[in-house]
Amino acid sequence: AQSVTQLDSQVPVFEEAPVELRCNYSSSVSVYLFWYVQYPNQGLQLLLKYLSGSTLVESINGFEAEFNKSQTSFHLRKPSVHISDTAEYFCAVSRTSGTYKYIFGTGTRLKVLA
Amino acid sequence: DGGITQSPKYLFRKEGQNVTLSCEQNLNHDAMYWYRQDPGQGLRLIYYSQIVNDFQKGDIAEGYSVSREKKESFPLTVTSAQKNPTAFYLCASSGFGDWHFGDGTRLSIL
Repeated sequence: AQSVTQLDSQVPVFEEAPVELRCNYSSSVSVYLFWYVQYPNQGLQLLLKYLSGSTLVESINGFEAEFNKSQTSFHLRKPSVHISDTAEYFCAVSRTSGTYKYIFGTGTRLKVLA
Repeated sequence: DGGITQSPKYLFRKEGQNVTLSCEQNLNHDAMYWYRQDPGQGLRLIYYSQIVNDFQKGDIAEGYSVSREKKESFPLTVTSAQKNPTAFYLCASSGFGDWHFGDGTRLSIL
């Protein structure tokens, strides 16, 4: 079975400061890794994903995440946040074969302060 | 444009009543999923279906039922057996290496 841990339920940060949202996973099989963002009363939007290849993946709005197999982590980072980044962020894993259902973490609420 | 449509956006249930949440996709995806979202608990899988006329229970299926008579549709019924149905419900579909989520239905108890 797979599991995902997001240790930080809330992360307050000032505008233009860097941020890291932590994600650790546990799995006995190979997994794909994802970060999703959710704005209030909306569905989830894919931010970035790791399927294979380069362990550093980037999104179009300045976020990046690095897959670290030895530490079973997939932390999300941004060097300079904006007010508009305020949202809830979910880390998720999916098996690479068999049943492709997602397992989600409990989410991290990022609040960017002016 | 292809996507997932959930309706209604807001839904109210009376005690002892069953309600059905709609989820339709036009992405030609084989797999569809229902998740429940509660504050501080993330998203938990209720039911999923990988093919028409077949579905499996997720982690919290008690008090819910689904059907998958058409590829495009995966309705979720919240039965009176579900004692704490107040939550945000998200439908998703996957196929061709891609996932899509609907905008959710917020269910409340009157």
